[in-house]
Amino acid sequence: EAQVTQNPRYLITVTGKKLTVTCSQNMNHEYMSWYRQDPGLGLRQIYYSMNVEVTDKGDVPEGYKVSRKEKRNFPLILESPSPNQTSLYFCASSLSGAEAFFGQGTRLTVV
Amino acid sequence: DQQVKQNSPSLSVQEGRISILNCDYTNSMFDYFLWYKKYPAEGPTFLISISSIKDKNEDGRFTVFLNKSAKHLSLHIVPSQPGDSAVYFCAARAAGGTSYGKLTFGQGTILTVHP
Repeated sequence: EAQVTQNPRYLITVTGKKLTVTCSQNMNHEYMSWYRQDPGLGLRQIYYSMNVEVTDKGDVPEGYKVSRKEKRNFPLILESPSPNQTSLYFCASSLSGAEAFFGQGTRLTVV
Repeated sequence: DQQVKQNSPSLSVQEGRISILNCDYTNSMFDYFLWYKKYPAEGPTFLISISSIKDKNEDGRFTVFLNKSAKHLSLHIVPSQPGDSAVYFCAARAAGGTSYGKLTFGQGTILTVHP
């Protein structure tokens, strides 16, 4: 089954404690992205990757890091999380960069 | 600066009638537009797309219209069904090069279809 898998689904952490949200896809897609969804703001792209070792900033990259060492994986790293990074996060992958498959989401709370 | 805007936070429609969801954009470099649907506790799913060289694209009950001069697109759902109740996001991509991976989304419109 074609899917994008994110882990964990729910996470509560404290300010400043580094965390990683993993994302994996099994469709051999070139493009992968991370988004955050906040009330009234819709989905905002954090980072995207066009292929292994090729990444670029989206609209809200501050406070986040990504890496693309393998085609199937695209982890999102928060080196020093802050409360304003409390949000619902989605990973997505696509062949074309447009029609994307999304993961189930990770609800992150930073206290 | 919100480059893609969905000005209606919500829309309520009777089953069997037409649902029209609207989206406006400001960036004239956008050349590809998409609609996604999102149910609670799930990720968004791709619904339909349109290239800027077209003004209409149909897929079953779903039709997307693009008016480039007005920088406006709309999604028509006919007939609407209760299972269409969800949040609908429009999205846009700019042309060329590294922008191919960059999607800009609107704020979303909550559609409720009443039986």
